[in-house]
Amino acid sequence: QKEVEQNSGPLSVPEGAIASLNCTYSDRGSQSFFWYRQYSGKSPELIMFIYSNGDKEDGRFTAQLNKASQYVSLLIRDSQPSDSATYLCAVNPRNQFYFGTGTSLTVIP
Amino acid sequence: DAGVIQSPRHEVTEMGQEVTLRCKPISGHNSLFWYRQTMMRGLELLIYFNNNVPIDDSGMPEDRFSAKMPNASFSTLKIQPSEPRDSAVYFCASSFLTSGEETQYFGPGTRLLVL
Repeated sequence: QKEVEQNSGPLSVPEGAIASLNCTYSDRGSQSFFWYRQYSGKSPELIMFIYSNGDKEDGRFTAQLNKASQYVSLLIRDSQPSDSATYLCAVNPRNQFYFGTGTSLTVIP
Repeated sequence: DAGVIQSPRHEVTEMGQEVTLRCKPISGHNSLFWYRQTMMRGLELLIYFNNNVPIDDSGMPEDRFSAKMPNASFSTLKIQPSEPRDSAVYFCASSFLTSGEETQYFGPGTRLLVL
């Protein structure tokens, strides 16, 4: 069983819509959760991190964490073509770092 | 700050040759990570250092891979001998690991092609 699972997509949404990206993890000891964005040919860059159950909002991005269900999600409101990228979920149990394989998002103008 | 610096950015070599990848972490960061990314396997953690000491190298694929961090500002990942299946993008990332801040900052990556 993989430490982190993501739907690889591709996920396509129209411009202005809400994009919803999901991630599940296996280690209940995980305390830190991260969403990275990676444009084609570029390195991953951090979008958000979340430590506590519930929602965390930053501009158009909202991270949601549910430790009981072992899932973390990322919502992108008012999606823009510039949001088209691969989104990587990462978890940090016991100072290990595990990344999902990523979900490819395309925002259609 | 210049961010994480990696060199070379691209490397093309022939099977059997030695390859050395280099990384300079962000100044003040105490942890350094080496990742490999391929289409098939995604982003895989190879090894990470904390305060220049290797903490977990369970992701290193085999004895052909070795990594060192002689000081806080420099690390190398060496592949000897290289094989075509080692072709991938290798990322270095650094972080300041405390209980409150674990964000990793990635370098631009080294694109390795082994022929």
